[in-house]
Amino acid sequence: GAVVSQHPSWVICKSGTSVKIECRSLDFQATTMFWYRQFPKQSLMLMATSNEGSKATYEQGVEKDKFLINHASLTLSTLTVTSAHPEDSSFYICSAMPDRLGAFFGQGTRLTVV
Amino acid sequence: QQQVKQSPQSLIVQKGGISIINCAYENTAFDYFPWYQQFPGKGPALLIAIRPDVSEKKEGRFTISFNKSAKQFSLHIMDSQPGDSATYFCAATLGDSSYKLIFGSGTRLLVRP
Repeated sequence: GAVVSQHPSWVICKSGTSVKIECRSLDFQATTMFWYRQFPKQSLMLMATSNEGSKATYEQGVEKDKFLINHASLTLSTLTVTSAHPEDSSFYICSAMPDRLGAFFGQGTRLTVV
Repeated sequence: QQQVKQSPQSLIVQKGGISIINCAYENTAFDYFPWYQQFPGKGPALLIAIRPDVSEKKEGRFTISFNKSAKQFSLHIMDSQPGDSATYFCAATLGDSSYKLIFGSGTRLLVRP
């Protein structure tokens, strides 16, 4: 299957700092990527749709100024958590679809804000 | 109408048994139904998927059964193994260009040796 690489796998940052998470499609081009957030023992919550060359589309209730998304190329989308606080601690996952046959997910990023 | 309801929340099966996870939906615009397997600390991995014009799809020990009239679909894991212990999510996508996945709430499967 297609490969989506997410980096870093885990990150610890101090409250008030910003953290950038990268999502790359390694063997296909992705004009659209998706960012999810997952709390322990819960399902994936879609945060936003990242569109190459244009603004991201955020789901209702997601702060666009808190979670900055940039999709600068057909293989890379980044999520920046700005001015992170402990409540932003979570598991963040990206996905991309090479075609309509299914989304492929990155390995996820465990963010801990202390 | 955008929801996908998944049950059970958790499931314990003996090794060699059949694991069955069920999902139901309301929106008839959904046109693609994948299942994902997720291990702790990892991203979900696509397991198997089906379109509504097919009633059953089998890949190895994994089978999706799809009932379009009842708007239900299920995952059957035959000869369940301890290595199958994971969280399973059903999902659905709308028949538009958004490609958005709507996830079920997940089922935590434990296969006892």
